[in-house]
Amino acid sequence: DAGVIQSPRHEVTEMGQEVTLRCKPISGHDYLFWYRQTMMRGLELLIYFNNNVPIDDSGMPEDRFSAKMPNASFSTLKIQPSEPRDSAVYFCASSPQVAHYGYTFGSGTRLTVV
Amino acid sequence: DQQVKQNSPSLSVQEGRISILNCDYTNSMFDYFLWYKKYPAEGPTFLISISSIKDKNEDGRFTVFLNKSAKHLSLHIVPSQPGDSAVYFCAALRNTGKLIFGQGTTLQVKP
Repeated sequence: DAGVIQSPRHEVTEMGQEVTLRCKPISGHDYLFWYRQTMMRGLELLIYFNNNVPIDDSGMPEDRFSAKMPNASFSTLKIQPSEPRDSAVYFCASSPQVAHYGYTFGSGTRLTVV
Repeated sequence: DQQVKQNSPSLSVQEGRISILNCDYTNSMFDYFLWYKKYPAEGPTFLISISSIKDKNEDGRFTVFLNKSAKHLSLHIVPSQPGDSAVYFCAALRNTGKLIFGQGTTLQVKP
């Protein structure tokens, strides 16, 4: 199993540009999560899906952020337009169920907006 | 509104001694509490968890204690090893699947 795959690993973009982060969850996992890591707030939950349906997007910072899960094997997190304060590491995680043994995380995408 | 808080950004411990990482939460509706470990340039990995109806769970060198009245949990690592140096995240899980993390504590174990 290749685990949760995120792309790109690093992204540098100019302020105002559109950024799309991608995630491929582990096959058979019904839950998919998007987190953002910053020094101040640690790991913030942005949005999560169950069976491709968004369940809770209360963590999405503002309308500039959007996430989709068109099928069970792919999700995107889009920022349009991007701002320097969006610079952070974005993680995707997946799980077969609500799991007290933890969710599996990808290696993250480091986003830098200049 | 930070529902899970780790108030110590960093901790330094000598190899072989005990490391104690602390975490506080504000919501009594959580069903499980988890600890994750994170190395640089990698995603967080699950370490240990505890049910909200328990007060202790042990796995090898790692023990998690839960004090529900104080809304506080802690992770004990005994003995600490240099390979334990990482960022440790406390997290709280609801039965809806929502997993909320704290800010993290950077542990340094000195040889």
